[in-house]
Formats: sequence, structure tokens, C-alpha cells
Amino acid sequence: QVQLVQSGAEVKKPGASVKVSCKASGFIFSNYDIEWVRQAAGQGPEWMGWMNANSGNRGYGQRFQGRVIMTRDTSISTAYMELRSLRSEDTAIYYCARYNPGAIVKDGFDLWGQGTMLTVSS
Amino acid sequence: EIVLTQSPGTVSLSPGQTATLSCRASETVASNYLAWYQHKPGQAPRLLIYAASGRATGIPDRFSGSGSGTDFTLTISKLEPDDFAVYYCHQYGYSRDTFGQGTKLEIK
Repeated sequence: QVQLVQSGAEVKKPGASVKVSCKASGFIFSNYDIEWVRQAAGQGPEWMGWMNANSGNRGYGQRFQGRVIMTRDTSISTAYMELRSLRSEDTAIYYCARYNPGAIVKDGFDLWGQGTMLTVSS
Repeated sequence: EIVLTQSPGTVSLSPGQTATLSCRASETVASNYLAWYQHKPGQAPRLLIYAASGRATGIPDRFSGSGSGTDFTLTISKLEPDDFAVYYCHQYGYSRDTFGQGTKLEIK
């Protein structure tokens, strides 16, 4: 079954770090970029960054530069997003999604994980 | 970054009617790489339209996208009860992606 399965909900204190995993199955992981998007309650989605599963090349949104690290383990087809120095404003649902950079016509984020709820509270 | 402004914020329609949702970009979207997603509570977003007018796999032809440059439209004809959700546009033609704030399609 073609899917992305994310790790479970997290509760963290301000200043801590969180690492969310995103396991791919049913497709060739290394053919895709893994994108990370978050959505706080009542707000639109916010793009955080991307990582190419083959090369490991990555790019981050300006708001997250210096605070986010995206990695992957190709042996288990899993991508990770670590966010540091957490604050209450980071409370949101975090999604991973796949994007095919090699497509002739780029087709957006065609597969999403189920989301991981992060709550940052003292 | 490119700012995407969606309108209206909320639209109330009845099943069988046609919904027209707008997404306006603050700058030209490169290669018209503009996508539309449907999002329901507790679910992952679902890709409907890519590259402004391409229909994603398995999406019925009641969903259509149009537009270019800075102005894009998602049209949903013959609304069905399952169509009532929040819809987001997303530009991915620029190195830093951005999303609109969403249009809520609610049952009248």
C-alpha cells in the first residue's frame, strides 16, 4: 500500500526539541523529495522545507532556518524532521508529503502522512 | 515569498450547485505550478489539481482548475455532500512554497 506513516503525538516543554518520523512504503523512496508542512489551529498550512530522499539535499523555509533539521534513513525509507528551541507558537499538526522532482510536469504533493500533533506547553 | 490570497473565506452552497473558489498570487507563479487541495478535519490533505489545471489521479471531472500567472480558480460542479470541506491553494513554482489561508465550503 502506497503510504506515508508518521510517528505519534508529542507533548514538549518550551525550549525542548522534537523529532518526527515519516515512514514510506509502497513506492521507491529515493525517487522523491519529502516535504514538511505544518498547520496550526485556525490557520492555513505553512511550508517548512524539503529534502531529497536520494541525495539528502535539502532546503528550509526562512522562518525555520537554524531551528529545523531534515534527515533521512534510506535503509528503512524513513524521513525525519527535528525542530529545536520549541515555543508555544510551534503547537500545530505536522505533515510530511511526497513530491516528485523528476516529473516532467510537477504535480504537487500527491501523498501525505496522517499528521503528527505537537503540543508545546509548560 | 509569494503570498496567496484565497477568496471568499467561506462560501455557503447547496448540493447540486457549482462552487467557484479563487486564489490570487502576489507575484507570477512560475510555470503555473499552482495546486489545489481538499482538507477535512482529522484527515490528510488530498491533492485535487496540479499545475493549475491538471487533475490528480482519481479526482472526478466535477473538479476543474483554471488560470495562469497570478489568478487561479478551482471550480466544483454538481456539489455532493462529500465535497464540503476546506480548500487550499499552494504554489510550488518558486523555491519556497507557500499556501493560501483556505476557503471553507459549507452546506447552506
